[in-house]
Amino acid sequence: KAGVTQTPRYLIKTRGQQVTLSCSPISGHRSVSWYQQTPGQGLQFLFEYFSETQRNKGNFPGRFSGRQFSNSRSEMNVSTLELGDSALYLCASRDTEKLFFGSGTQLSVL
Amino acid sequence: KQEVTQIPAALSVPEGENLVLNCSFTDSAIYNLQWFRQDPGKGLTSLLLIQSSQREQTSGRLNASLDKSSGRSTLYIAASQPGDSATYLCAVPTGANNLFFGTGTRLTVIP
Repeated sequence: KAGVTQTPRYLIKTRGQQVTLSCSPISGHRSVSWYQQTPGQGLQFLFEYFSETQRNKGNFPGRFSGRQFSNSRSEMNVSTLELGDSALYLCASRDTEKLFFGSGTQLSVL
Repeated sequence: KQEVTQIPAALSVPEGENLVLNCSFTDSAIYNLQWFRQDPGKGLTSLLLIQSSQREQTSGRLNASLDKSSGRSTLYIAASQPGDSATYLCAVPTGANNLFFGTGTRLTVIP
């Protein structure tokens, strides 16, 4: 089985722009979660989708949004980028209790 | 509110040494605990998942223990190798079906 695939691997954007990140979960996994990782805050939960519905949401502003498609692929969107949004964004799909992570998208906001 | 702490933040050991990584959590109402490994700039790899009903879980040279009453988990690595160099994170589930991660321990194994 292929693992969790995230694209793109690296992104460079400027303040005020918006960005869309993509995640394809492991085949058969219906739950997709997104996490933000920064040196200062560590790993923080953004949101989780299950069967195209947002099931849980972390404590992030409304500029961070996501969606899930019928094939379980998920996208995350960040609008009006700020310098502090620079981070590694990780996607994970769930098999019962275990999370399987992708390699992440490294976003740099200049 | 759950807090998960990992001490030490960084650790350097010579190759071949046995070592223990520590994870402490404040809310013991957890049903499992998971240990992950992260290589620089990469995603997380699940190493071990311990159910609250278990006390230990083993995979190869790795052994993880869980003591809910004291709010602690340890990850024991036997006969460390340079390839074990990475950041190790523990994580506990929240009521909202996501994971709350510890601060991580950056391990360097010196050849």
